[in-house]
Amino acid sequence: AQKITQTQPGMFVQEKEAVTLDCTYDTSDPSYGLFWYKQPSSGEMIFLIYQGSYDQQNATEGRYSLNFQKARKSANLVISASQLGDSAMYFCAMSSRYSTLTFGKGTMLLVSP
Amino acid sequence: EPEVTQTPSHQVTQMGQEVILRCVPISNHLYFYWYRQILGQKVEFLVSFYNNEISEKSEIFDDQFSVERPDGSNFTLKIRSTKLEDSAMYFCASSDGTERGQETQYFGPGTRLLVL
Repeated sequence: AQKITQTQPGMFVQEKEAVTLDCTYDTSDPSYGLFWYKQPSSGEMIFLIYQGSYDQQNATEGRYSLNFQKARKSANLVISASQLGDSAMYFCAMSSRYSTLTFGKGTMLLVSP
Repeated sequence: EPEVTQTPSHQVTQMGQEVILRCVPISNHLYFYWYRQILGQKVEFLVSFYNNEISEKSEIFDDQFSVERPDGSNFTLKIRSTKLEDSAMYFCASSDGTERGQETQYFGPGTRLLVL
């Protein structure tokens, strides 16, 4: 069975600072994908970034980067230069061989001016 | 940019009533999914659908749930006899299936279901 653990229920960061949201995972599958989604207060789920288990380099998408440490089974999201609009719930998720997603409990990020 | 759409955005129903939640996946996607998120909790997988068949389902997806692709664009989730505990946000998602196990799923905006 797959499991995603997000140990930070909430994080605070000041505008323009960088923040790291933690995610650890557990799986017996050799091939998997790791994803981060953002859920603003309006409720939709917005895809942010993806990392494949065989990717050698960490994924980056604009201000988002994924710090993938396979041996530690961690896939932390780094948001650089935080903006007020980054305030939201952030979910880490993992895909199985059948591509169903297993989600963590989420981290609420609040960005202050 | 193509997106997944869902209707209605909100649905209020009485316990025991049937509800149908509708989704229009991204047009060239082949795999479709339903997830639910009970208020304050994590997102949970319900069912995946490919080639007009259920490909995988979770323990939550019991006999009161069904899915259908009635035409070339819509993908529906039916809850036959709603219970109070079915109150949740229901998300539809789709993916292109190009790399099974690793492709990105794109989510719709969700339908917030409230069962009274």
